[in-house]
Amino acid sequence: QVQLLESGPGLVKPSETLSLTCTVSGGSISRDYWTWIRQAPGKGLEWMGFISNSATTNYSPSLKSRLTISLDTSKNQFSLRLTSVTAADTAVYYCARGGSSYLHYFLDVWGRGTTVTVSS
Amino acid sequence: DIQMTQSPSSLSASVGDTVTITCRASQSVMSFLNWYQQKPGQTPKLLIFAASSLQSGVPSRFDGSGSGTEFTLTISSLQPEDFATYYCQQTYSTWTFGQGTKVEMK
Repeated sequence: QVQLLESGPGLVKPSETLSLTCTVSGGSISRDYWTWIRQAPGKGLEWMGFISNSATTNYSPSLKSRLTISLDTSKNQFSLRLTSVTAADTAVYYCARGGSSYLHYFLDVWGRGTTVTVSS
Repeated sequence: DIQMTQSPSSLSASVGDTVTITCRASQSVMSFLNWYQQKPGQTPKLLIFAASSLQSGVPSRFDGSGSGTEFTLTISSLQPEDFATYYCQQTYSTWTFGQGTKVEMK
């Protein structure tokens, strides 16, 4: 079955760029939507954005100016790039698959999450 | 943005109880509404998609209903493993989650 695994630095300095990669195994990235979600300590889930199999992106308006999601089909990976980070970007970052049924999308496969701390 | 508001934010219940969580959208999302369960330290798990379709492997005591702007998740005969936080999510337009509802043991 499809599995997702996030990777990237656990510590990022303020004002720098956070980069994370999600590796998809057990299935092809050439279908479905590929999504990033984050969860600040003690807080709820925040949808960040997704990239489709055709590389169309959709971002949360609150992050749109700082966020880029990209796809590398040759490596079966998708990535997140968040610029100008602050302490407010400290969170567990999850990647997830946006599966679908009759045009209804849902997050049916999740990575384990990776903790990112923004601190000098 | 479409805002999703869950109520209550938390509730206390006992094993065997029936629990209902409401999710309201700031505008119609038709039936593009999903429910997730998250236990402490764990990854969220999809329970319900398209407002009322039960994800494979999810017990039938979980039931979703609603359309438009008002949705409910009902858990019948609450089990010990159901104490968790539940989130709704709309996928009609630029996806958003509700703030979560924590179901605690009374």
